[in-house]
Parts: sequence; structure tokens; C-alpha cells
Amino acid sequence: DTGVSQDPRHKITKRGQNVTFRCDPISEHNRLYWYRQTLGQGPEFLTYFQNEAQLEKSRLLSDRFSAERPKGSFSTLEIQRTEQGDSAMYLCASSTDRGFTDTQYFGPGTRLTVL
Amino acid sequence: DAKTTQPNSMESNEEEPVHLPCNHSTISGTDYIHWYRQLPSQGPEYVIHGLTSNVNNRMASLAIAEDRKSSTLILHRATLRDAAVYYCILRDVGLDYKLSFGAGTTVTVRA
Repeated sequence: DTGVSQDPRHKITKRGQNVTFRCDPISEHNRLYWYRQTLGQGPEFLTYFQNEAQLEKSRLLSDRFSAERPKGSFSTLEIQRTEQGDSAMYLCASSTDRGFTDTQYFGPGTRLTVL
Repeated sequence: DAKTTQPNSMESNEEEPVHLPCNHSTISGTDYIHWYRQLPSQGPEYVIHGLTSNVNNRMASLAIAEDRKSSTLILHRATLRDAAVYYCILRDVGLDYKLSFGAGTTVTVRA
């Protein structure tokens, strides 16, 4: 399978704990995106990487959130001191650099539940 | 971001066409119209995109109004697998890397 993969698929944690999610994009895709989706809503953009550079961050990405993409390959999204409001599906997508009509390929997501 | 308006839900019978409308009255000349869909328990997937002319691919057709203030996604023969949430998204060719999703249209296909 050469699609976008995410790990773990499900995460249950207690409020106040830190969690880290991983995304492996499609090989040679230099663009990588993180989105968050709550129940009944469409995905909301969190952040965007071009290779290893983080070029855009949403205001939704509070200082408790940090994302990295070392060496422009896989990416991690860490949430510190989780809150119940962080419960959501976290989606990763990747694409090639073809201007602004590039197709984004999404992974299956990581479902986070904060108790 | 320019906004889109879609109906909350639509129903269709299997093997019949489905026409999904999208209004985008504030669209700018550099906005592409993208459609993605999200099947249950999956991430979104690309369906089709266009700028001014109608577009066809193996999944669907996209009909764009002459004034570009509305568009229609056409599924020619709905199958049960087409039951999903369909999102109409405007993406500025000069500005937007991200996709700005709305609530989308939930399509139900009856057997």
C-alpha cells in the first residue's frame, strides 16, 4: 500500500497527558498537511509543510500543539497537556508540488479521545 | 476565503444520476472549484476540480455556470459506494495551499 499512513489509528488519553501522532506521506510528496475534524464538521486546516519547512499554521494551532517534519519525510503532531476539547479526528494529507491545483491525498486519520 | 453553500443532504436511488449543487457567489477569478468526498470512517478523497470549463473524469462531471457563481457535481450512476459527504471547496490559485472545507452535502443512496 503506497497511500498516506497514520499511526496510531486510535488514541485514548487522560486530560493533561501529552500525545504524539505520526504521518507517513506518499513517497516523494513534498507537501504535507495536518487537519482536524470534529464530529459532524468538515476538516479544519492546522498546518502545512513544504519539505521540512513549516510554511503556514492556523490560529487553531495553539501553543500546546507542535508539528515537525524532519528531513522532509514523515511528520509528527504533538499535543501537550491535552484537553477534552482536543478530542477529534486528526487527518494528514500529502501532495506533490504542482501549483495550487495539486491533489491532496488523505490518510485514514488518528481518532483522539481525551477523557 | 470565498465561501460555498451546499445543501445539507440529498438522497438518490442506486443507478440514478445525482446532481449536487454548490453556490459560490463571491468567487474570484483566481479561485479553482474543487470537490472532495469523504466516505464513512475514511479520510477525504479527491473527486474533481475545474476553473471555467466543464470537466469530466472517471468518477464524476463538474458543470460550472457561465458566471462561475455556481457549479454542479454530477455522479452519473450512483452506487452504494457513492454514499458519502461531498465537499465543494474554492481554492485561490495565488494564495491557498490548504483546503477550506465546509459542512458538505451528505449523500444517501438507496438500493
